[in-house]
Amino acid sequence: QSALTQPASVSGSPGQSITISCTGTSSDVGGYNYVSWYQQHPGKAPKLIISDVSNRPSGVSNRFSGSKSGNTASLTISGLQAEDEADYYCSSYTSSITWVFGGGTKLTVL
Amino acid sequence: EVQLVESGGGLVKPGGSLRLSCAASGFTFSNAWMTWVRQAPGKGLEWVGRIKSKTDGGTTDYAAPVKGRFTISRDDSKNTLYLQMNSLKTEDTAVYYCTTQRSGSFEYWGQGTLVTVSS
Repeated sequence: QSALTQPASVSGSPGQSITISCTGTSSDVGGYNYVSWYQQHPGKAPKLIISDVSNRPSGVSNRFSGSKSGNTASLTISGLQAEDEADYYCSSYTSSITWVFGGGTKLTVL
Repeated sequence: EVQLVESGGGLVKPGGSLRLSCAASGFTFSNAWMTWVRQAPGKGLEWVGRIKSKTDGGTTDYAAPVKGRFTISRDDSKNTLYLQMNSLKTEDTAVYYCTTQRSGSFEYWGQGTLVTVSS
């Protein structure tokens, strides 16, 4: 199972919005609504920020939102803040009864 | 408060074995599906495998790179998840995280334990 495709890096200024894409196939992202997103700060464990394509767990800022179209899922962060600088990973269930992650995207807040 | 605490990591030679543990608290462990995810140094996340709750059959599924070498098990009486790793390779070097699984997401994560496979 190949990793999902994410851009290696994105950047934005405080207050701006950015979008991170996550591209898979009809056997994973496109076939199931089990896409999730994780935020990871350096040296820390990942944290779930979006589940099931677009659901925000309790306690996660409403500046984070998720969506999906076809084989591509997206994470949008609005009103960028310095604390959003981190690595972001998408994940999807697959038809092989496994899960696959994206390669990760490093977000830099300028 | 949900807590997951991994232990058992360390340095092991190629071909060796290691067993990781994950002590869980703050939720009904016996009802939870549990997952192991790993992260090689400086690299991304990689799903390792999952075990369902016993009420859902207690079955396991594994990623292709570890299938046949790694075994996930659970002891609900001890609220503990295990990962038995055999025939270890240098490419298994990573921080190993245990997570709870809710629907298709990995909801809560431990702090991770480092496994280094090197001669």
